Amino acid sequence: SQQGEEDPQALSIQEGENATMNCSYKTSINNLQWYRQNSGRGLVHLILIRSNEREKHSGRLRVTLDTSKKSSSLLITASRAADTASYFCATNTGGFKTIFGAGTRLFVKA
Amino acid sequence: DVKVTQSSRYLVKRTGEKVFLECVQDMDHENMFWYRQDPGLGLRLIYFSYDVKMKEKGDIPEGYSVSREKKERFSLILESASTNQTSMYLCASSSGGTGFENIQYFGAGTRLSVL
Repeated sequence: SQQGEEDPQALSIQEGENATMNCSYKTSINNLQWYRQNSGRGLVHLILIRSNEREKHSGRLRVTLDTSKKSSSLLITASRAADTASYFCATNTGGFKTIFGAGTRLFVKA
Repeated sequence: DVKVTQSSRYLVKRTGEKVFLECVQDMDHENMFWYRQDPGLGLRLIYFSYDVKMKEKGDIPEGYSVSREKKERFSLILESASTNQTSMYLCASSSGGTGFENIQYFGAGTRLSVL
């Protein structure tokens, strides 16, 4: 079964709006990561948050982590058409394996 | 910049053929991974390797094998391709052992169609 599950599966917003994606997971983690995938391409790492951190920022990205609820959220502020992509959360429990969710498809309309 | 290169972007093979997917990374990473990606299922780990000649099964290893003779190269082999192996295959690499952050760097993917 998947460790990370994103919600919603798909999201459509206007350029300039904020986009929020959520991720829930099942077991204790070392860290949680968010990746982005443009259509037909590989994944690109965006941001990592450790289990002892609650919030992290990187440019227009803001990630929160609530280990008591086993959930995370990714906020993209002031979205641009170029942000159109799929976004995946991925959990690492300390071993070699990183478990990816099924992703949220974001469409930003210009 | 880390570069992970997959040998083919698109590949069309016939049922029963032996298929080789090649992946090369240029950052001296210890760990390399092969995933397949199918709509609605996310990424599923097929095999990974944490050192030369070392390999570990992932979640869906059936029908696949791997080879890692050199640190920079990790090959995925479909011994006898079947139509249910039609998918997008993604290679990734990361540095460090267990307990590290395991940030993965991905290739552009190979879209394999088995007819």
